[in-house]
Amino acid sequence: DQQVKQNSPSLSVQEGRISILNCDYTNSMFDYFLWYKKYPAEGPTFLISISSIKDKNEDGRFTVFLNKSAKHLSLHIVPSQPGDSAVYFCAATGGTGGGADGLTFGKGTHLIIQP
Amino acid sequence: NAGVMQNPRHLVRRRGQEARLRCSPMKGHSHVYWYRQLPEEGLKFMVYLQKENIIDESGMPKERFSAEFPKEGPSILRIQQVVRGDSAAYFCASSPRTGNTEAFFGQGTRLTVV
Repeated sequence: DQQVKQNSPSLSVQEGRISILNCDYTNSMFDYFLWYKKYPAEGPTFLISISSIKDKNEDGRFTVFLNKSAKHLSLHIVPSQPGDSAVYFCAATGGTGGGADGLTFGKGTHLIIQP
Repeated sequence: NAGVMQNPRHLVRRRGQEARLRCSPMKGHSHVYWYRQLPEEGLKFMVYLQKENIIDESGMPKERFSAEFPKEGPSILRIQQVVRGDSAAYFCASSPRTGNTEAFFGQGTRLTVV
């Protein structure tokens, strides 16, 4: 059973526009959420995170929004740049799905920034 | 400060052989996690270790897979008698402490079983 779901396998956005990547979770014990970015043949790199006590966290062009009641989070990238083209993984921790303190990952969304 | 180092980057094994994947965590990190990524899938948690202890191995297949993180040296993920279905990218991550913190990933080992 998938505890972290990213329902869009891919997303295409024009350069300069806003990219919105979505993530849903089912485990109400999750209390910390992270976004990772992954290029081909490389390991995931940490992008931004949010604790369940907040509903928004911003870092430069990246903002993560958390809606606890809907068990939904989203990553906004604005403006989108060609270097943002990558696979984005949503991850969560605090529940029992990923081990004591491990991360439970979604399947990823492949973001493609069109020139 | 070197990042998480995994080796080898690529490993080819014939069915029935053993695969050993190594992971050196970042300096100062005592928590290591192994994840597997099958084609078209996200990263799946396998095992969480601290020095000389397996904390959680709930994601490890029951047979043929084992992991260790000795007092000295890298963490090792060992797969005995590999089968084609073991072909995947195996990622190691480390973190400095438990709880809410990001984990830092290595570049992964791509295992191909032929």
